[in-house]
Amino acid sequence: NAGVMQNPRHLVRRRGQEARLRCSPVKGHSHVYWYRQLPEEGLKFMVYLQKENIIDESGMPKERFSAEFPKEGPSILRIQQVVRGDSAAYFCASSPQQVQETQYFGPGTRLLVL
Amino acid sequence: GENVEQHPSTLSVQEGDSAVIKCTYSDSASNYFPWYKQELGKRPQLIIDIRSNVGEKKDQRIAVTLNKTAKHFSLHITETQPEDSAVYFCAADETSYDKVIFGPGTSLSVIP
Repeated sequence: NAGVMQNPRHLVRRRGQEARLRCSPVKGHSHVYWYRQLPEEGLKFMVYLQKENIIDESGMPKERFSAEFPKEGPSILRIQQVVRGDSAAYFCASSPQQVQETQYFGPGTRLLVL
Repeated sequence: GENVEQHPSTLSVQEGDSAVIKCTYSDSASNYFPWYKQELGKRPQLIIDIRSNVGEKKDQRIAVTLNKTAKHFSLHITETQPEDSAVYFCAADETSYDKVIFGPGTSLSVIP
């Protein structure tokens, strides 16, 4: 799991700005998942992507949030016009092929909206 | 969709004692049940998982049991040590979709 990279590790934004979170999965992994974790709470599924495809975005708010996993480069979770309630830790995880395999988590990005 | 519940939400044990965390799930077709440990400020890490074709799995001081009929599974940690202190999450796969659903977590404190 040391292979999943996320950046930045900490991000501070003012209300109304955009937040862009990046996730590079373990080399060779084609499945990426994004989770949100509020302080002292559990991991809430947001979106599941494979290369160039969004498979399941049922956990992601329909407005202001978007995600992509292009053919080349990292997966991006984008939050537009951030609000204070968006403050949380955002983790991405990757797996080799399908959900019934170990998900390896990245170190997370801690977003603080002022 | 899948719903995973977890109990207790907090657990304190004396060093050397055992700790048990229990989870229930709703999707009878679920086949994969991982457990993750998250230390303060760190990423979740898989500690053990079990699939529906077995009822129990052990790895040193950690064991997981699965009762598919009752739709519950449990994590057992024996001879607990202070470094076992963390939040533990159970999860179950949601068979209609390619994802796992996490329980709300159990905060385990091992008192030296």
